[in-house]
Amino acid sequence: SQQGEEDPQALSIQEGENATMNCSYKTSINNLQWYRQNSGRGLVHLILIRSNEREKHSGRLRVTLDTSKKSSSLLITASRAADTASYFCATDEWDSNYQLIWGAGTKLIIKP
Amino acid sequence: SAVISQKPSRDICQRGTSLTIQCQVDSQVTMMFWYRQQPGQSLTLIATANQGSEATYESGFVIDKFPISRPNLTFSTLTVSNMSPEDSSIYLCSGGLRNNEQFFGPGTRLTVL
Repeated sequence: SQQGEEDPQALSIQEGENATMNCSYKTSINNLQWYRQNSGRGLVHLILIRSNEREKHSGRLRVTLDTSKKSSSLLITASRAADTASYFCATDEWDSNYQLIWGAGTKLIIKP
Repeated sequence: SAVISQKPSRDICQRGTSLTIQCQVDSQVTMMFWYRQQPGQSLTLIATANQGSEATYESGFVIDKFPISRPNLTFSTLTVSNMSPEDSSIYLCSGGLRNNEQFFGPGTRLTVL
């Protein structure tokens, strides 16, 4: 099921630029996760941020979480052609059966 | 869209035994994947189920432990072999379309004693 909304739906930027994707959700969560999906491949986990965290870094990735606005952003700095993929956010609802609730995804294209 | 069912929905198994999880899609999908999700943790891709050929496994997962079959475009099985308590997890299958849209099954909650 999906509760998250991601924007933009598609993003095309030049290599070297920064890419920012946003995710909004509706209910209280335990954590929020970002995944990447390369064309024809399965989802790969990028980063998990817990509800009591506000920012997290992993390499060129920076994730922020604003629980008051029920939103998160994923920033990819110094983008590379290999970053071309679809990016999904997923939330782990409070009191859920640990089933992840998915956003519709942002398709990111990095132009060389 | 595609609707995916899995069975069993949950099971409690003894150490050393094996469990086969079935995944059925109501329409043909291009790709099928198997994931593992520890409670409160992220999804981890186990393998891509390829129709009519051996599955493609991710790092850390091997065919002897997680044999996978995909005899046609709408059905796949994952076996968790020689189980230990560390295999206790939720196992999910998903079907993917050419536009990378993915649909997930409800998951199989496995507890190994």
